[in-house]
Amino acid sequence: EDKVVQSPLSLVVHEGDTVTLNCSYEVTNFRSLLWYKQEKKAPTFLFMLTSSGIEKKSGRLSSILDKKELFSILNITATQTGDSAIYLCAVPPGGGADGLTFGKGTHLIIQP
Amino acid sequence: KAGVTQTPRYLIKTRGQQVTLSCSPISGHRSVSWYQQTPGQGLQFLFEYFSETQRNKGNFPGRFSGRQFSNSRSEMNVSTLELGDSALYLCASSLVGGGGNIQYFGAGTRLSVL
Repeated sequence: EDKVVQSPLSLVVHEGDTVTLNCSYEVTNFRSLLWYKQEKKAPTFLFMLTSSGIEKKSGRLSSILDKKELFSILNITATQTGDSAIYLCAVPPGGGADGLTFGKGTHLIIQP
Repeated sequence: KAGVTQTPRYLIKTRGQQVTLSCSPISGHRSVSWYQQTPGQGLQFLFEYFSETQRNKGNFPGRFSGRQFSNSRSEMNVSTLELGDSALYLCASSLVGGGGNIQYFGAGTRLSVL
């Protein structure tokens, strides 16, 4: 059974701080790892990491994948109050179908 | 390009009733997946449809079912509702699924069972 564990489950920091969110995974036949941001309802896509793309960056957000140690991190630098959200990590199954296995998420709160 | 559209946004039902939720994927997307999100269990996969066929299924009882139409629109049905079915139900679409595509989510249907 595929498994995704995120840590910490919640995190409170001040605006301007840098945060690191962790995601470890166990999946048969790894294909990709995805990060999503959920503010109110719909999770919005951030990054997809694969064997051929183990580091991604977009503005203040970046993510790396360590396939050997089976984990990924999401970094947010110079945090802003708009970064407050639940950050979700997920992996698809090893077969040909879809059906993401999600971690419980990290609830990030940025205080002004 | 329109995103994933789910209707209705909110539903209130009583125990024992049944409910049908609808999802219209992004144009051109052929894979539709359904998820249940609760505070205790987080986001859990229900099932995935591709070309009108259920291709994958999560660990949920048979009361949860779905289908996909030829235009890729999908519906999920929950029969004999229980209090524990209260949740946010999210639909996601991707081009062809299979783990190599990004899934894009709709805003969800909030179901409350009284």
